[in-house]
Amino acid sequence: SQQGEEDPQALSIQEGENATMNCSYKTSINNLQWYRQNSGRGLVHLILIRSNEREKHSGRLRVTLDTSKKSSSLLITASRAADTASYFCATDAGTDKLIFGTGTRLQVFP
Amino acid sequence: DTGVSQDPRHKITKRGQNVTFRCDPISEHNRLYWYRQTLGQGPEFLTYFQNEAQLEKSRLLSDRFSAERPKGSFSTLEIQRTEQGDSAMYLCASSFSSAQSYEQYFGPGTRLTVT
Repeated sequence: SQQGEEDPQALSIQEGENATMNCSYKTSINNLQWYRQNSGRGLVHLILIRSNEREKHSGRLRVTLDTSKKSSSLLITASRAADTASYFCATDAGTDKLIFGTGTRLQVFP
Repeated sequence: DTGVSQDPRHKITKRGQNVTFRCDPISEHNRLYWYRQTLGQGPEFLTYFQNEAQLEKSRLLSDRFSAERPKGSFSTLEIQRTEQGDSAMYLCASSFSSAQSYEQYFGPGTRLTVT
């Protein structure tokens, strides 16, 4: 079963705009990760944030985590057409396996 | 390329046939995971190994599914008597267990179509 939900399910923006997607989860976690998946391909790890962290940056990515609300957000700044992909959050739920959300499909138009 | 590799990339089979997929993890990684992903959904955990030991299996992994990692290196996932509902992308991932890193590195996946 899925751990949680991403919101929105789909997002369309123009190049240069920022994209924000949210993730909610159900159980306590040690860390939360975001992955990107291009159409029909494997997943690429983007960023990991630990449960004792509130914000983390990596290049054009900014991730926040609110453990009291069991939610996280991923912000992609100055988006590019190459950012078009599905984005998934994944939590460990205190175990060694990853539990993924349902994903946000991002479309960036040139 | 020293990433995770999976073979085959695509498999079309008839219902009732057996299929086997292979995953070669990143060489220094001691953990290997199998996930299944259906269209429009996120990956769902199936099973994982630490070295050659299978440590956890999802209830999604019915008796028709079996996974092995005989020498703690590559792994195989076999599906017996395939059903149309088995059609999905099967993803393999590997990681190195440590207190500092939980990142999993995914292969390109094997897309199974059962006709």
